[in-house]
Parts: sequence; C-alpha cells; structure tokens
Amino acid sequence: AQTVTQSQPEMSVQEAETVTLSCTYDTSENNYYLFWYKQPPSRQMILVIRQEAYKQQNATENRFSVNFQKAAKSFSLKISDSQLGDTAMYFCAFMPLPSGSARQLTFGSGTQLTVLP
Amino acid sequence: GAGVSQSPRYKVAKRGQDVALRCDPISGHVSLFWYQQALGQGPEFLTYFQNEAQLDKSGLPSDRFFAERPEGSVSTLKIQRTQQEDSAVYLCASSSPWDRGLGSVAAFFGQGTRLTVV
Repeated sequence: AQTVTQSQPEMSVQEAETVTLSCTYDTSENNYYLFWYKQPPSRQMILVIRQEAYKQQNATENRFSVNFQKAAKSFSLKISDSQLGDTAMYFCAFMPLPSGSARQLTFGSGTQLTVLP
Repeated sequence: GAGVSQSPRYKVAKRGQDVALRCDPISGHVSLFWYQQALGQGPEFLTYFQNEAQLDKSGLPSDRFFAERPEGSVSTLKIQRTQQEDSAVYLCASSSPWDRGLGSVAAFFGQGTRLTVV
C-alpha cells in the first residue's frame, strides 16, 4: 500500500514571491508517477505537474517546478512568481506504474495555499 | 464534451434515501474513476472502470454503494439507504488509454457532486 503525506496544512505567500509545498510518500514500488493537483473553490481538481519516477530530471511547467528526490521519497512543488489565482488547495498524488487494473491515485491530505496581495 | 461533467452539483438527501450521481467522461476516455472526498481531506479511491468493465471496486465502503457504466461512457454511482457518514464530495475522473509513449496518464476530474445527508 502507498501513503502520501503533506505535513503543511496551510501556507501563505506574498504575491510575486516563491513558495515551496512539501510532500513525502512511502511505497515499495520502483516505477510510479507523482502528481500535483490544484483544487480551487470550484472543487475541480486541475493537474499542475507530473513526474515519472524513472526520469531523473525534475519536471517544470512554466512557474511550477518540482524537486524529486527518489531515494528520500520526497516530491516538493515550487511555485515561482506567485499569483492571486494560485490560491487553492494543493494535493500531492501517487500512482504506481499501471499493471493489470491498478491505476488509482493515492492523495495526500492537501495544503491550503493563500497568495496575499 | 470538453471536460468531465457531473450532475447534480449539489444533492441533499434525507437519511435512508437512495441517491444516484452521474458522470459523463471526456469523449474517448476508456478509464473512469470515482473518488470520495470528505471535508478537509484528500480524495479517496472508490472504484475504477475500463470501458464497461468494473475492474476494481475495492474502495467502495459498503454494499450500499454501487457503480455502473453499462455502455462504457456515462457512469452512475448509486448509494442506497444513505447515512450521515456518506456526506462528502464525490469526484469522477477519466483518462485516456494507457500508452507509455503517447497517452496521458493523468486523470481529468469533474467538479464533483456535494452530497449532504440530513
């Protein structure tokens, strides 16, 4: 079984500053995917960024980047030049490399990020 | 459609009532998932379909929960004899076929149905 831990229930950052959200996970799998999802008040989960465990290079998507440390089982999200629209709940999620029917996501408990004007 | 569509967005049910929640996935997505999200928590897996086949229902909390996807597109999550602990947001997600070289493995979520049992 996999577990995902987000130890920061709430964080805040000033507009235009940089913030890092932390995530750790526990698994015996060697191949897997990691994701960060954003959930604004509309409730729709929006994919922010994903990382394949077999890739050593950290993923980046515009202002969003990750620091993936496989040995430490750590997957943090860095948001640069924070914008008011980044205010949302952020969830870290794990998915093992699909084998058979196993394709579900395991989510952490989330970090509420507030960007302050 | 352009995205995953769920209806209704809000549902209030009296304890003991049966409810049915609908999910219309992205056209062409063969994989469909249901998740339950309690207040202040991350979503938890309920069940997974590949086309019309329910391949994993290990997350369904009790036999009062039932999901179907008879034609491999629209799915319905049914909860019988609702209890207060069933109050949550129910999220549906779909994804394209697994293809390590080309396809997206990410799940695309709907806006969920907030169920309140009173």
